[in-house]
Amino acid sequence: DSGVTQTPKHLITATGQRVTLRCSPRSGDLSVYWYQQSLDQGLQFLIQYYNGEERAKGNILERFSAQQFPDLHSELNLSSLELGDSALYFCASSVAGTGGNEKLFFGSGTQLSVL
Amino acid sequence: DAKTTQPNSMESNEEEPVHLPCNHSTISGTDYIHWYRQLPSQGPEYVIHGLTSNVNNRMASLAIAEDRKSSTLILHRATLRDAAVYYCILRDDFRFDAGGTSYGKLTFGQGTILTVHP
Repeated sequence: DSGVTQTPKHLITATGQRVTLRCSPRSGDLSVYWYQQSLDQGLQFLIQYYNGEERAKGNILERFSAQQFPDLHSELNLSSLELGDSALYFCASSVAGTGGNEKLFFGSGTQLSVL
Repeated sequence: DAKTTQPNSMESNEEEPVHLPCNHSTISGTDYIHWYRQLPSQGPEYVIHGLTSNVNNRMASLAIAEDRKSSTLILHRATLRDAAVYYCILRDDFRFDAGGTSYGKLTFGQGTILTVHP
């Protein structure tokens, strides 16, 4: 158990809909990362938050948005869903220490199926 | 971004050592070498990381070449539970605030699929 909690584990929805994925980081971790994993693209970095502020952005679509709340949990909002958005979405957290020594701890993911 | 190159797949027998190679010829002096693995239907899991010296922990050993352009993850006795995709990653895109906090993300490549035979 990594200590990172993601809900829900599975989500089935229709095209055009909007969903929210939730992540609770490990206790004490200030940084949260979101990744998308699909069969053809592998693990793609989406976005990172540190202590409530956005810190790094990757290949995140404009239809997607995220935020980190004062209690440090994070939500990833996906709107106007398309079939191609079907994927595993992982959240990771880290303490946000110094340099490259930082380890990331990943949750077990949310499987999103858009029908 | 510094890139890594790994074989697409490797095979091993149970209880034998496994050496997983990684090339990173464009590594910079401040890049740490990280290894993560992803077991089927699970999220990635940290394995080990290092900067210049060889590293050991309860899961594996990391051997880093003297010029740091390559490294090898060593599983001393493979078990069936070690069957996974292994990712060799260089930390990149760091920024630091006055307190020295880093904001770097991990950029995953395709990794090496390790198959362990009974």
